Formats: sequence, structure tokens, C-alpha cells
Amino acid sequence: GIQVEQSPPDLILQEGANSTLRCNFSDSVNNLQWFHQNPWGQLINLFYIPSGTKQNGRLSATTVATERYSLLYISSSQTTDSGVYFCAVTSVSWGKLQFGAGTQVVVTP
Amino acid sequence: DAGVTQSPTHLIKTRGQQVTLRCSPKSGHDTVSWYQQALGQGPQFIFQYYEEEERQRGNFPDRFSGHQFPNYSSELNVNALLLGDSALYLCASSLRGANEKLFFGSGTQLSVL
Repeated sequence: GIQVEQSPPDLILQEGANSTLRCNFSDSVNNLQWFHQNPWGQLINLFYIPSGTKQNGRLSATTVATERYSLLYISSSQTTDSGVYFCAVTSVSWGKLQFGAGTQVVVTP
Repeated sequence: DAGVTQSPTHLIKTRGQQVTLRCSPKSGHDTVSWYQQALGQGPQFIFQYYEEEERQRGNFPDRFSGHQFPNYSSELNVNALLLGDSALYLCASSLRGANEKLFFGSGTQLSVL
């Protein structure tokens, strides 16, 4: 199957700071999604972004499919941004959604 | 607009028992996927149901089985429970058998003692 690596594994931010999360994958993908899992376990779909750039409020994401990575940007972080951010991909050769191990983000007041 | 609903929210079982978890997809969705999330890890794909058939399956033993009903709701059954089956079980819904734009339920926390 496809390998998905996320970095950093942990991130501590002060409220108002900006950050970048990275997702590397080992094969060509036709599906890439970013999720946020809040401290209560709820997974929220942030972006469906197999290629290109998208923005949603303070969050934006860029996927460079030819170089096999995606970035999630968090600007002006808030305490409600705390939680685990997951990247999940489906490759052309492995049609099942594969999640990375996640980045644990803690935003302090 | 009803989101994905799962029941029960918590469950405690003992080794060897059997368990059934339930999921109703988001309104308008017809595809249900099940995931297992162990503590501190990302969700692992179990299987996907579309048009009442299992369409894809991850690396899980036959003790894990499922069903989809005509109203698109789904059940996950696990037989002969092991301690290692303790996890958060997540249901996700989507459209037309796709893995795109998944919407997740809040999950069922299963503890096997």
C-alpha cells in the first residue's frame, strides 16, 4: 500500500501564530484530504485537495502531486485549532483511503 | 441536515463476545465506510459498503463483517472479541462508492476487557 508520512508529529503554538503541516506520500494519488480531529474525537473534513491550492478562512492547503506532498497552513491560530490533523490519500494503485499518523497541535492562550 | 450518526457511543465487552455497531449516513449519502482508530494512531480502513455490497476491504480478519441496509444505514459486527479490538470505531459516509469528501460520525468507543 501507499505510505503516508506527516510532520511534525507534535506542534505547540501560541495563539496568533502561524504554522505549516506537511504530508508526504509514496505514490501518485487521485484523492487527498485533510481532516481535523478535535479533542472529543470528532473528525472534520477540512479539504479535498488532490492537487492545487484551496483556502477556507484561516486555513489553506496546497498539494503538489508531481512531488508527492501536501501542506496545510494555519494562520492566526486559535485555541479551537487544537487537536490532531490527519492527511489521508488514495493512490491510483491502492484504491483504499490511507491515513497518516497525524500531527498533534496544541494552541496555548 | 442530519450528519453521520453512530450508536452506541460507548461499549464495554469481554473477550470472546460479539458486538454490533450501527451507523446512519449523512442525508443524501449512499456509501458507508468503517474505520478502526487505536489510541494515538490514524484511522485504519476496515471496509466500505455501497449498494448493499462490500466493495473494498482493508487488512482485517473475517471476524469483522458488515452489512448495509436498503436505507443506506450500516452495521459493523465483530466476533470473538480480542483485547486488541479495543479502539474507536468510526463510520464515514460519502457518495456513489467514492472515498472523496468523507463525513465522519463521532464514533463508538469499544473497550474489550
